[in-house]
Amino acid sequence: AQTVTQSQPEMSVQEAETVTLSCTYDTSESNYYLFWYKQPPSRQMILVIRQEAYKQQNATENRFSVNFQKAAKSFSLKISDSQLGDTAMYFCALGGNEKLTFGTGTRLTIIP
Amino acid sequence: AAGVIQSPRHLIKEKRETATLKCYPIPRHDTVYWYQQGPGQDPQFLISFYEKMQSDKGSIPDRFSAQQFSDYHSELNMSSLELGDSALYFCASSSPGTGGPEAFFGQGTRLTVV
Repeated sequence: AQTVTQSQPEMSVQEAETVTLSCTYDTSESNYYLFWYKQPPSRQMILVIRQEAYKQQNATENRFSVNFQKAAKSFSLKISDSQLGDTAMYFCALGGNEKLTFGTGTRLTIIP
Repeated sequence: AAGVIQSPRHLIKEKRETATLKCYPIPRHDTVYWYQQGPGQDPQFLISFYEKMQSDKGSIPDRFSAQQFSDYHSELNMSSLELGDSALYFCASSSPGTGGPEAFFGQGTRLTVV
């Protein structure tokens, strides 16, 4: 069975600062993908970034980057220069080419 | 770009009634997933279809059924509704063979059972 753990239920940070959201996972698969999804108050699920397990290079999408530590089964999300629009629930997810297993989420609040 | 379309966006039903949720995937996506997200919870996988065949099944109650049609749209049928079925139901689509593994989500159908 696959599991995803997010140990930070809530976080807050001042606008323009950097914040890191933690995620650990467990899987017996050798080939898998990891994702971060953002769910703003509208409840829309928006893909933020993805990482292929076979790639050592950490994925980056503009202000969003990940720190993927395969041996430690860790997949953290770093948001640089945080903006008010980043306020949302963030879900870490494991899967790829099949169903996703989600963590319980981290509620991130950006403070003006 | 076209996204996943779900209808209706909101639905209110009484206990023991039946509901049908519809999902239109992104064009050329061959895989559809259904998820249920209760209040304050993470999305839970219900069922998926690949090329119109059921490909995987999660924690879907026996009262629920789903199918994918020849035009790739999918419907989730929910019968004998219970108060606990009140949730946000997401449909997502992907195209693992050509478009990559990521699933793109629709805006969800908010079901309220009263």
